[in-house]
Amino acid sequence: DSGVTQTPKHLITATGQRVTLRCSPRSGDLSVYWYQQSLDQGLQFLIQYYNGEERAKGNILERFSAQQFPDLHSELNLSSLELGDSALYFCASSDSDREAFFGQGTRLTVV
Amino acid sequence: ILNVEQSPQSLHVQEGDSTNFTCSFPSSNFYALHWYRWETAKSPEALFVMTLNGDEKKKGRISATLNTKEGYSYLYIKGSQPEDSATYLCAFSGYSTLTFGKGTMLLVSP
Repeated sequence: DSGVTQTPKHLITATGQRVTLRCSPRSGDLSVYWYQQSLDQGLQFLIQYYNGEERAKGNILERFSAQQFPDLHSELNLSSLELGDSALYFCASSDSDREAFFGQGTRLTVV
Repeated sequence: ILNVEQSPQSLHVQEGDSTNFTCSFPSSNFYALHWYRWETAKSPEALFVMTLNGDEKKKGRISATLNTKEGYSYLYIKGSQPEDSATYLCAFSGYSTLTFGKGTMLLVSP
């Protein structure tokens, strides 16, 4: 158990809908990272937050947004969902520049 | 924004081949360099954490070296097996943050 909790584990939704994925980092970790893993695009870094502020941005679509709350949990919002958004979404947390620990992922299926 | 580069982006080898990848990172404000192995549909597995210039770490057929003065690390896989197929990520610790490379996707064919 990495200490990073992602909910839900699985999500099935229809095209055009909006979903929210949640990540609870390890206790005390200030950084949260979001990754998308899909069969066709491989591994894509989406975004990083540090203590509530956006630190780095990767290949995150405009339809996607994220935030990190004062209690350090983070949410990834995906809207106007398309079939191609079906993927595993992982979050990781780290204490500043220390080793990152990854959650088990949320499997999103858009039908 | 820190630049952490991994090359090659992807690699396709035959079973039994040995292979290596590179991770380049800033040579200043270095704290540590991490290697992860990420199989499809699984959480990443931490392979190595390297902190000292000249460090060499080994785990089975996988080994890594570190050069902090010139800012690079090599990951070697000896006698690749199909189960080694994964994305190998490096991450640079420094400047109070952890910065990931884009990964090298390795495919080992039987």
